[in-house]
Amino acid sequence: DTEVTQTPKHLVMGMTNKKSLKCEQHMGHRAMYWYKQKAKKPPELMFVYSYEKLSINESVPSRFSPECPNSSLLNLHLHALQPEDSALYLCASSPRGGTGRYEQYFGPGTRLTVT
Amino acid sequence: DQQVKQNSPSLSVQEGRISILNCDYTNSMFDYFLWYKKYPAEGPTFLISISSIKDKNEDGRFTVFLNKSAKHLSLHIVPSQPGDSAVYFCAAGGGGSNYKLTFGKGTLLTVNP
Repeated sequence: DTEVTQTPKHLVMGMTNKKSLKCEQHMGHRAMYWYKQKAKKPPELMFVYSYEKLSINESVPSRFSPECPNSSLLNLHLHALQPEDSALYLCASSPRGGTGRYEQYFGPGTRLTVT
Repeated sequence: DQQVKQNSPSLSVQEGRISILNCDYTNSMFDYFLWYKKYPAEGPTFLISISSIKDKNEDGRFTVFLNKSAKHLSLHIVPSQPGDSAVYFCAAGGGGSNYKLTFGKGTLLTVNP
């Protein structure tokens, strides 16, 4: 089973709203990722959690706040977003870093629209 | 500086024929390469990977070839099917990070019935 689930599938929010995106995997993977993807572009890495600790923050604005409550769950808290933040937000997981294998398994994404 | 390049934005092939998607990279520290397939409004799906110690990896209709000296890899799909129509991303891992993948910009494959 290589399934990563994400909720919600679609989200529309105003610039003053606070919302959260959720991601779950039950593959025992110890690394989890948030990506942002705009149309006709490759995924753009935002955050990496390894063993439930934030390992990489790609200089993401503070209006995006990640959280990893346990090894299976990953959240992305959103606050005071801008219309240009509208995109497909992807969660991914991988077994762990340092194995010499880099396969990441992606969820279906959350289509976010900021109005 | 784009470290992973997919120079063909699109490719069109007939059903049953071979599809060949190409990818070039510049960073010699990359030691693992992957191909992902993406349908619109869905997450990328992992297809196949290859370690830099190999030059070929095969999985069903999909074969990836790696030419390290040329810093070039290709994905062959044989025979191509209409359901293969999607955007294909090449990605590279390693290069000093255990976690980061560097993606190419993607190639839109259209398989015509």
